[in-house]
Amino acid sequence: DQQVKQNSPSLSVQEGRISILNCDYTNSMFDYFLWYKKYPAEGPTFLISISSIKDKNEDGRFTVFLNKSAKHLSLHIVPSQPGDSAVYFCAAFSGSARQLTFGSGTQLTVLP
Amino acid sequence: ETGVTQTPRHLVMGMTNKKSLKCEQHLGHNAMYWYKQSAKKPLELMFVYSLEERVENNSVPSRFSPECPNSSHLFLHLHTLQPEDSALYLCASSQDPLSGSFNEQFFGPGTRLTVL
Repeated sequence: DQQVKQNSPSLSVQEGRISILNCDYTNSMFDYFLWYKKYPAEGPTFLISISSIKDKNEDGRFTVFLNKSAKHLSLHIVPSQPGDSAVYFCAAFSGSARQLTFGSGTQLTVLP
Repeated sequence: ETGVTQTPRHLVMGMTNKKSLKCEQHLGHNAMYWYKQSAKKPLELMFVYSLEERVENNSVPSRFSPECPNSSHLFLHLHTLQPEDSALYLCASSQDPLSGSFNEQFFGPGTRLTVL
């Protein structure tokens, strides 16, 4: 049973608009949530994280929102750029287990 | 070389072959990880090494055998694999997180493995 789920395998957005990527989780004991970005033929690269005690973290064009009651987090990219086209993985970190649990990824395509 | 490197980048092997995947990190980290990524599936954690000792083995079949000779190098030895083992194998490294804290994992580019 997947503890971290990304229910949308793909998303297409027009350049300049907002991209919203969603992620749901089941384990309320996760301590941190992260987003990784992966281009073809490269490994995932860390994008942004949020502690479980926060509800928002912003870094430039990227903002992550955490709704603990709904066990839901989202990544907002605004404005979206063609270079943002990649697979985005949501991940959750358990401090007690000292490991990351990943979602299955969402392919974002930003159309020029 | 910088970051995390993996060799080979692509590997095709028969079910009776023995091969090894290599990972090297140049970041001074003390924890290293092997992940498996199958198509349309989440990254699955296979093995974790911290300070060269295995601390996690997530029920991985014995046909996968990890080796961590020092904190900079990690190997995954493969033998008698099955076609369903075809996947992207990713190595990552980090500073070993203290209980409750988080340290970012840095990934290599992966080895694309095909088992015929």
